[in-house]
Amino acid sequence: SAVISQKPSRDICQRGTSLTIQCQVDSQVTMMFWYRQQPGQSLTLIATANQGSEATYESGFVIDKFPISRPNLTFSTLTVSNMSPEDSSIYLCSAAGGADTGELFFGEGSRLTVL
Amino acid sequence: QQPVQSPQAVILREGEDAVINCSSSKALYSVHWYRQKHGEAPVFLMILLKGGEQKGHDKISASFNEKKQQSSLYLTASQLSYSGTYFCGTPTGTYKYIFGTGTRLKVLA
Repeated sequence: SAVISQKPSRDICQRGTSLTIQCQVDSQVTMMFWYRQQPGQSLTLIATANQGSEATYESGFVIDKFPISRPNLTFSTLTVSNMSPEDSSIYLCSAAGGADTGELFFGEGSRLTVL
Repeated sequence: QQPVQSPQAVILREGEDAVINCSSSKALYSVHWYRQKHGEAPVFLMILLKGGEQKGHDKISASFNEKKQQSSLYLTASQLSYSGTYFCGTPTGTYKYIFGTGTRLKVLA
């Protein structure tokens, strides 16, 4: 199993600013992902964080808006750039590769409110 | 395309059974099930593999329908701790999943 820590757990941000979310996994994992979950909604995959190379983004998400880094096997960051109220959401870090079920492990999320 | 779950919400008394469905427009080859309690991380419950094999929770089971376009999650003798939102996830790549619309379940004492 893997334990995932995210910070900040929540923040209130001003329109036009950027915020970086950090994700730390307690063991080496194969894959790391970033999801967005709007209140009361399902989880939407933003991108796959690739170690040492550019992230792979899903349709509707772009690097300029959500730059992602993964400098090593256990750490990743997601930046939400030039925020608007529509970016208010919960952002979850996820990791996989430590179990034969293919299960995903999730952090508790970072709740962002943009004013 | 996002799987559609039904029902959207259900309320049970402790000890009652529940069934949550996950429907896809394409045949499902495996399905993950997760439970998310309010304000917490989603937690893996089980995986249902294409041959019907299951791995995971020992008190929760799942199955496919004949055409394998729907998976059902069976919660028997519900406990208070079963409350939360349930999501099915179907694979789109290595460890990549698209999650269903979610089912909110509340178990009352």
